[in-house]
Amino acid sequence: QKEVEQDPGPLSVPEGAIVSLNCTYSNSAFQYFMWYRQYSRKGPELLMYTYSSGNKEDGRFTAQVDKSSKYISLFIRDSQPSDSATYLCAAGNTGGFKTIFGAGTRLFVKA
Amino acid sequence: NAGVTQTPKFRVLKTGQSMTLLCAQDMNHEYMYWYRQDPGMGLRLIHYSVGEGTTAKGEVPDGYNVSRLKKQNFLLGLESAAPSQTSVYFCASSYSGGNTEAFFGQGTRLTVV
Repeated sequence: QKEVEQDPGPLSVPEGAIVSLNCTYSNSAFQYFMWYRQYSRKGPELLMYTYSSGNKEDGRFTAQVDKSSKYISLFIRDSQPSDSATYLCAAGNTGGFKTIFGAGTRLFVKA
Repeated sequence: NAGVTQTPKFRVLKTGQSMTLLCAQDMNHEYMYWYRQDPGMGLRLIHYSVGEGTTAKGEVPDGYNVSRLKKQNFLLGLESAAPSQTSVYFCASSYSGGNTEAFFGQGTRLTVV
């Protein structure tokens, strides 16, 4: 079992829809949770960064972490065609040498 | 500010050939990483370094070697390329370990025929 599991999709939604992307993780020591966005033929870029449990909002994006169920979510409101990309969840911990990435979910937003 | 730069961007190798991928970062980061990304597999860590002169194995290190002679550079070597090493390779760097943002290069698309 991978430490961070993510449904690869693809997920296709119409423009303006609310998108929900999810991951689960197995390591209780993870304290830092991140979402990276990767456009086609580009490197991943950090989108959201969350410490421990709770919600974090940035514009149309909301990251949610539930440590009790080891569940990570990213919500995108009013989705746009420019949001079409692969979204990778990731987790790490203090003192850890590396971040563990999920496989990525490919999202298509249709105009 | 270039961030993380990978060289080359594309390469085709014949089975058995060797090559070196170069990664350079200008952010004075201590940590550097090499990943490979394959369809359905996500990012898999090959090797990483927590500082100049140090290297460590990641999840899929077989068939690869690395060196970190200078803080800003992290080299990935393939001594005898195999078709299974066809992939997109990403280098990344971060200020600290798993609790900080990783900055990625643009990737190297490698095909081994």
